[in-house]
Amino acid sequence: NAGVTQTPKFRILKIGQSMTLQCTQDMNHNYMYWYRQDPGMGLKLIYYSVGAGITDKGEVPNGYNVSRSTTEDFPLRLELAAPSQTSVYFCASSIQITPLHFGNGTRLTVT
Amino acid sequence: KQEVTQIPAALSVPEGENLVLNCSFTDSAIYNLQWFRQDPGKGLTSLLLIQSSQREQTSGRLNASLDKSSGRSTLYIAASQPGDSATYLCAVRQDFGNEKLTFGTGTRLTIIP
Repeated sequence: NAGVTQTPKFRILKIGQSMTLQCTQDMNHNYMYWYRQDPGMGLKLIYYSVGAGITDKGEVPNGYNVSRSTTEDFPLRLELAAPSQTSVYFCASSIQITPLHFGNGTRLTVT
Repeated sequence: KQEVTQIPAALSVPEGENLVLNCSFTDSAIYNLQWFRQDPGKGLTSLLLIQSSQREQTSGRLNASLDKSSGRSTLYIAASQPGDSATYLCAVRQDFGNEKLTFGTGTRLTIIP
């Protein structure tokens, strides 16, 4: 039972580069989320999706894009990486109002 | 704007003791509250979810209570074990259909053998 799988686990980017953080879940959850966690701060919601083809902005969406072409996958795209995007990124999924299931995170450093 | 606070930021207790972790929120009109555990280098694991209509939830040695009127929740851990060492976070959901959770910054718990 894989749950929520994120790849890669670690990545170092140079300023201005782009990358996609992958997230897939095998629980047939309709809701999926991307959060970032900065040291000493609570998790902040970047984007979320309530089903395939539907996405919406969270609290801190600037500099990111998402797509949801299937129920299972919810990739997060970073365009023109900036040092402020250095963080740990978590993907999560749920059925509405039930507990969230989190992946193990991607640690991203932008230098 | 909802703000969630967890004090203290770190706590160390000897093995076997019972302990309480605190979570405070500024807007009492919440839909539900969740407690999570985070191990180093790992994602969050949901421990307990309390709906706004509930007063408490229990799972094994864990008991979470909710007092909406005072804007507080507590996580009680009985007979602590070294394996309980982790960071514990609480998060509130404001409304049904509002997908944003507001997280506290967590309490890092260390159980001393």
